[in-house]
Amino acid sequence: DTEVTQTPKHLVMGMTNKKSLKCEQHMGHRAMYWYKQKAKKPPELMFVYSYEKLSINESVPSRFSPECPNSSLLNLHLHALQPEDSALYLCASSLSVTQYFGPGTRLTVL
Amino acid sequence: DAKTTQPPSMDCAEGRAANLPCNHSTISGNEYVYWYRQIHSQGPQYIIHGLKNNETNEMASLIITEDRKSSTLILPHATLRDTAVYYCIVRVLYGGYNKLIFGAGTRLAVHP
Repeated sequence: DTEVTQTPKHLVMGMTNKKSLKCEQHMGHRAMYWYKQKAKKPPELMFVYSYEKLSINESVPSRFSPECPNSSLLNLHLHALQPEDSALYLCASSLSVTQYFGPGTRLTVL
Repeated sequence: DAKTTQPPSMDCAEGRAANLPCNHSTISGNEYVYWYRQIHSQGPQYIIHGLKNNETNEMASLIITEDRKSSTLILPHATLRDTAVYYCIVRVLYGGYNKLIFGAGTRLAVHP
């Protein structure tokens, strides 16, 4: 089973809202990732968690706040986003080197 | 900092082999080549990866040139469900972790 789940599938939020994206995997993977994908572009890495600790932050603005409460769960907290943050947000996990992606959350910021 | 170049689009007839090329002339000796595909609005799906040798699995074959500067992904019998964007990726060591450097992708259209 190589399933990564993400909720919600779609999210519409205003610039003053606070919302969270959720990612879950039960494959025992110890590394988890957040990516952002704009239309017709490849995914871009945002954050890497390894053993529940933030290992890499690709200079992401502080209005995006990741959290890894346990080894199976990864959250992305959103606050005061801008319309240009509208994108597909992808979560991935890996045991060793191959990353498995979830279906993504389509975020629209009004 | 893309390390791969791919044609933006390709067509293939259903039932024929689809050969997707990728150039990665600046790849280092310990960096792997990965292929993922993304069907519209879904998450990328892992296909195959390799370092030097040719690789085959139930989905595809990966042919890497001897100088490792280019590779070809082969879908032996393309179906309509193989219509997707195919990403050629170099996996690099980054801050002690593995980072996928995506190319711009090839949009493959399989037609009847």
